[in-house]
Amino acid sequence: GDSVTQMEGPVTLSEEAFLTINCTYTATGYPSLFWYVQYPGEGLQLLLKATKADDKGSNKGFEATYRKETTSFHLEKGSVQVSDSAVYFCALPSSNFGNEKLTFGTGTRLTIIP
Amino acid sequence: NAGVTQTPKFRVLKTGQSMTLLCAQDMNHEYMYWYRQDPGMGLRLIHYSVGEGTTAKGEVPDGYNVSRLKKQNFLLGLESAAPSQTSVYFCASDSLAGAAYEQYFGPGTRLTVT
Repeated sequence: GDSVTQMEGPVTLSEEAFLTINCTYTATGYPSLFWYVQYPGEGLQLLLKATKADDKGSNKGFEATYRKETTSFHLEKGSVQVSDSAVYFCALPSSNFGNEKLTFGTGTRLTIIP
Repeated sequence: NAGVTQTPKFRVLKTGQSMTLLCAQDMNHEYMYWYRQDPGMGLRLIHYSVGEGTTAKGEVPDGYNVSRLKKQNFLLGLESAAPSQTSVYFCASDSLAGAAYEQYFGPGTRLTVT
């Protein structure tokens, strides 16, 4: 079935460091891809998305490019801030449930140190 | 605009007790979902609904029941709680308009079963 694999966490970085969180996927065809973020004590919220190959999603300084050649959708940010500390989830629609549901990765916890 | 709300926020149950978690959304979304979040497991779908009066099983439905009598409400029931159901439960809704897959999450319910 469709699935996503995220890099294991936790990830700890200093403020202003460069961030990469890896995500690779297995799917039939070329589904839309998503990054969700969960801030402490809150539910998940959509961070960015890409709906077709070679698209780049961006929001709040984060970017991710849909690369079908490597089946990847890595999340990047050039200069992280303390406020970026959160858990990040990669996701894709699951054909196992008629594309009505999202399959989430296990999440990567990011901590930014001042 | 409240978005997605969940009640209660916290609950402690004894093994064998029952309870109902309530999810409400004010965005007129057709699709609603119940997930559980456990350390290292990401989010796993329990049940979902594609419209008023409908429900469907997700990945981990055993031990739970759901009802969607009104479009804005989605109830999750535990008939006989077990320690394995200790988790954080999230409700989400989506319009799936244009296959957007932007799920809106509630703040979560932390359930402990002793």
